[in-house]
Amino acid sequence: DTEVTQTPKHLVMGMTNKKSLKCEQHMGHRAMYWYKQKAKKPPELMFVYSYEKLSINESVPSRFSPECPNSSLLNLHLHALQPEDSALYLCASSQEGLGSGRFFGPGTRLTVL
Amino acid sequence: GENVEQHPSTLSVQEGDSAVIKCTYSDSASNYFPWYKQELGKRPQLIIDIRSNVGEKKDQRIAVTLNKTAKHFSLHITETQPEDSAVYFCAASIGSNYQLIWGAGTKLIIKP
Repeated sequence: DTEVTQTPKHLVMGMTNKKSLKCEQHMGHRAMYWYKQKAKKPPELMFVYSYEKLSINESVPSRFSPECPNSSLLNLHLHALQPEDSALYLCASSQEGLGSGRFFGPGTRLTVL
Repeated sequence: GENVEQHPSTLSVQEGDSAVIKCTYSDSASNYFPWYKQELGKRPQLIIDIRSNVGEKKDQRIAVTLNKTAKHFSLHITETQPEDSAVYFCAASIGSNYQLIWGAGTKLIIKP
């Protein structure tokens, strides 16, 4: 399996809702990432997990909460989001070490009303 | 910190012609340079990458060149086809740093 999968594809939520985004990879990659992408912009790093431990949190607001249950799964828990959080949320994975290309999932298109 | 500039922001070429996209980086310690292609509504896809110990790399119609002295790298696409239409992003990183510093993107339009 050479793909990163994400669910759901689309999500519409109100500002008081709680929802979760899910990501899965079976390539044996030990680094997993969450990115946020706004229209016509490059992906913006949010979190990095290395060997299931949180390595980087790019000063992301606490209304976004990542979780890495095992080496294949990555979740992003959402709570009390704002309309400006509407974006494409991309999961990615890579091998550890020097210069490893990111393999991206198809993304979840999130709309916050 | 590292900064990556990408030019042009939009590039329109005739089908069959070549396209060149250029990026410059600021940190001489950068040693990994990937290129991603993102079609409308789809995920970014790694199309080619190069490490600082290599000056050029080719994969069929796509090539990347790296000039470490000038701190710039370029993507070359030959014999362009309609399916090459997409946004292309360059990026740079240092060592095993998880951070990729991205360029702003180039929208490539292939005219039939």
